[in-house]
Amino acid sequence: KAGVTQTPRYLIKTRGQQVTLSCSPISGHRSVSWYQQTPGQGLQFLFEYFSETQRNKGNFPGRFSGRQFSNSRSEMNVSTLELGDSALYLCASSLVLDNEQFFGPGTRLTVL
Amino acid sequence: TQLLEQSPQFLSIQEGENLTVYCNSSSVFSSLQWYRQEPGEGPVLLVTVVTGGEVKKLKRLTFQFGDARKDSSLHITAAQPGDTGLYLCAGARSGGSNYKLTFGKGTLLTVNP
Repeated sequence: KAGVTQTPRYLIKTRGQQVTLSCSPISGHRSVSWYQQTPGQGLQFLFEYFSETQRNKGNFPGRFSGRQFSNSRSEMNVSTLELGDSALYLCASSLVLDNEQFFGPGTRLTVL
Repeated sequence: TQLLEQSPQFLSIQEGENLTVYCNSSSVFSSLQWYRQEPGEGPVLLVTVVTGGEVKKLKRLTFQFGDARKDSSLHITAAQPGDTGLYLCAGARSGGSNYKLTFGKGTLLTVNP
């Protein structure tokens, strides 16, 4: 069974631009969560989607948004990029809410 | 405010040594998970502990959940270079649609041959 895949793996953007990251969950998994990982703050929860609906949201500004499609694939978007948005963005999928999460390898975003 | 405090933040030891890392909180969690993350990869779940006082063993790794379900420890016996990685604990609160994981900042373990 294929694991969680994330694209792209690496991304370099400049301040003010926007970016879209993609996540394909494990086949059959309906819940997708997104996390931001930085050396200073560690892993921080962004949001969670289940059956195309956002179920939970972390404490991030409105520049961070996401969506989930009917095939459970998910995208997250960051608009008006800031230097502080440089981080590893991790996606995790699970069968249903409140279940073991499987992480993808992440997308390393660098904002210059 | 970091709900989960992990200590130590960094740990460098020689192969064959034993070690313990800690995960502490003032909050009660319904369950607690331990992950290991290697460079360039996402975290991989090692274990989930649910019951206060629970002890789980995974080969040379022993996980314990505190009686009050606020803290946990991970003990590694006879560490090997393959144990090198970032160890993360994550506390789960509530369930169903309110389920959310809160992660600690991790302990970066280096086991030198």
